[in-house]
Amino acid sequence: EVLLLESGGGLVQPGGSLRLSCAASGLTFSSYTMTWGRQAPGKGLEWVSSISGSGSRTYYADSVKGRFTISRDNSKNTLYLQMNSLRAEDTAVYYCAKNPRGYTYGNFDLWGQGTLVTVSS
Amino acid sequence: DIQMTQSPSTLSASVGDRVTITCRASQSISSWLAWYQQKPGKVPKLLIYDASSLESGVPSRFSGSGSGTEFTLTISSLQPDDFATYYCQQYNSYWTFGQGTKVEIK
Repeated sequence: EVLLLESGGGLVQPGGSLRLSCAASGLTFSSYTMTWGRQAPGKGLEWVSSISGSGSRTYYADSVKGRFTISRDNSKNTLYLQMNSLRAEDTAVYYCAKNPRGYTYGNFDLWGQGTLVTVSS
Repeated sequence: DIQMTQSPSTLSASVGDRVTITCRASQSISSWLAWYQQKPGKVPKLLIYDASSLESGVPSRFSGSGSGTEFTLTISSLQPDDFATYYCQQYNSYWTFGQGTKVEIK
């Protein structure tokens, strides 16, 4: 069974930093593009960032470009999201998701349970 | 950037009803469209990918159609477990979600 388990969420002050992790199991991790998405309280889904299986290609939504950095450690089957210069509007549940193989972009065919990030003073 | 617009935003229906949700893209996305179901407090679940392919394990009452800029998700006979919010997503160029359609009990 493929599992994705996020961690690292919490309360942070505006302007602060946080690093999220997503531990993957049950799959050949390096074969898959991986993604971070988020959902603000009571709002819809938003794509945040994605990274290719090798880590050589990264993609960012305009709303986080220059502030967030996605990375991965294929030896540890772990995906990361370094979030800097956090703003109140970054408050959301952050999900890790897996993209299927064979697509330039692809859908998100499996999601983790999510971790809550709250940006507030 | 590609914008995705769903309609309606909210839909009231009864068990057994045929339900259709529409998603429009601001430019052609070929068939690079997915549909997700999300229940309150739960993780999104992939239902349909590549506009019309049913994800494994998803009931056959769900179907998707369309290409280019206009797409539909149809639930042929609404079941109690189907009351949820549905999102479309394009993956032709990066990724964009629609704003969601909440299907509620009439």
